[in-house]
Amino acid sequence: KQEVTQIPAALSVPEGENLVLNCSFTDSAIYNLQWFRQDPGKGLTSLLLIQSSQREQTSGRLNASLDKSSGRSTLYIAASQPGDSATYLCAVFSSGSARQLTFGSGTQLTVLP
Amino acid sequence: GAVVSQHPSWVICKSGTSVKIECRSLDFQATTMFWYRQFPKQSLMLMATSNEGSKATYEQGVEKDKFLINHASLTLSTLTVTSAHPEDSSFYICSARDPDTWAEQYFGPGTRLTVT
Repeated sequence: KQEVTQIPAALSVPEGENLVLNCSFTDSAIYNLQWFRQDPGKGLTSLLLIQSSQREQTSGRLNASLDKSSGRSTLYIAASQPGDSATYLCAVFSSGSARQLTFGSGTQLTVLP
Repeated sequence: GAVVSQHPSWVICKSGTSVKIECRSLDFQATTMFWYRQFPKQSLMLMATSNEGSKATYEQGVEKDKFLINHASLTLSTLTVTSAHPEDSSFYICSARDPDTWAEQYFGPGTRLTVT
């Protein structure tokens, strides 16, 4: 059964800092990995999707990497802003018999002005 | 991009009543939709997979008689919480899979259910 772990659970940084969020998964048989943002009481906003054949994806100040063989992904946020404060969720779409999206528990990010 | 809507966005109901939540794919036909539940400060947990025209597949520990799922058309799936209790209070999120990009899911904005 796929398990997804996110470290740290919470992170607080001053505005302007670059930061890295970590995601690890136990089963490397995946189709893709996706990073989401969730604001309090809101739904999910998809940030980046990395196919299993890709190593990284970039969108603006965000860069996500994928090392499928080691079961790891990172989300890099450059020049953080208070508006980046949210919970960031990593989700893996497994290609095994389950074929479902498994979510990590999230990293709650606070960017202090 | 593909859009998924949910209705209502929030609902308050009394214990013992039933409440229905709708999930719609607005610009694509979704043969498969998913229902998740999220408790405060926790991640999303898959409750069931809804397939158009057939019975839903429930995850272990999810009562199928309590959480009724109907996927009668390619753009609509409904989740009915029957005989709701305060412990059913949660954030319910649906997602839909576009057959053209089948490995990607599109998420609705969620429905906050509070049972008093």
